Amino acid sequence: SAVISQKPSRDICQRGTSLTIQCQVDSQVTMMFWYRQQPGQSLTLIATANQGSEATYESGFVIDKFPISRPNLTFSTLTVSNMSPEDSSIYLCSSMSGGGTEAFFGQGTRLTVV
Amino acid sequence: GESVGLHLPTLSVQEGDNSIINCAYSNSASDYFIWYKQESGKGPQFIIDIRSNMDKRQGQRVTVLLNKTVKHLSLQIAATQPGDSAVYFCAENLSGTYKYIFGTGTRLKVLA
Repeated sequence: SAVISQKPSRDICQRGTSLTIQCQVDSQVTMMFWYRQQPGQSLTLIATANQGSEATYESGFVIDKFPISRPNLTFSTLTVSNMSPEDSSIYLCSSMSGGGTEAFFGQGTRLTVV
Repeated sequence: GESVGLHLPTLSVQEGDNSIINCAYSNSASDYFIWYKQESGKGPQFIIDIRSNMDKRQGQRVTVLLNKTVKHLSLQIAATQPGDSAVYFCAENLSGTYKYIFGTGTRLKVLA
């Protein structure tokens, strides 16, 4: 199973600023994903991070707000731009090796916007 | 650390008893299902999976049951222990895609 590390593990940010979250996988993986987990809620997929091409965003999420990079098969970043208190959430990185296989998760980044 | 599942349905179980956590999934085209456990301050952790060509799968102390007719999934935990206290999510994988849809989650509280 893949081991996923996220940095930072938590942060408190001022509204209007941006935060970049890093995700490192200990092996090469085909698919990487970013999820948001709002307080007391389940996980919602933000986007699929594709290596060598632009990320694919889910309905309700846009590239200007959540730019994503995927420079290689082991690393991705998610930026939360122009933050507001409504962006306070846990952001989770996930990877899987193919369809119909289990997805692994990082420990999450707990973001509080004040 | 922060807790997840503050507003989620809660199942309270006496230590040593069996737990049953239920999940209704949304898409009849889903063909792969996973149960995840999420402890406070951590990401979801894989517990057990099941494919749509099965209706039951057993692991160590856990059993997953799948009823495709009513789109229902359940997780049974035998002899529940304090370390089982967490939020449990079911996730469905849409056939032919890489996407997972997560259920709303249930918080399991084990009483000593």
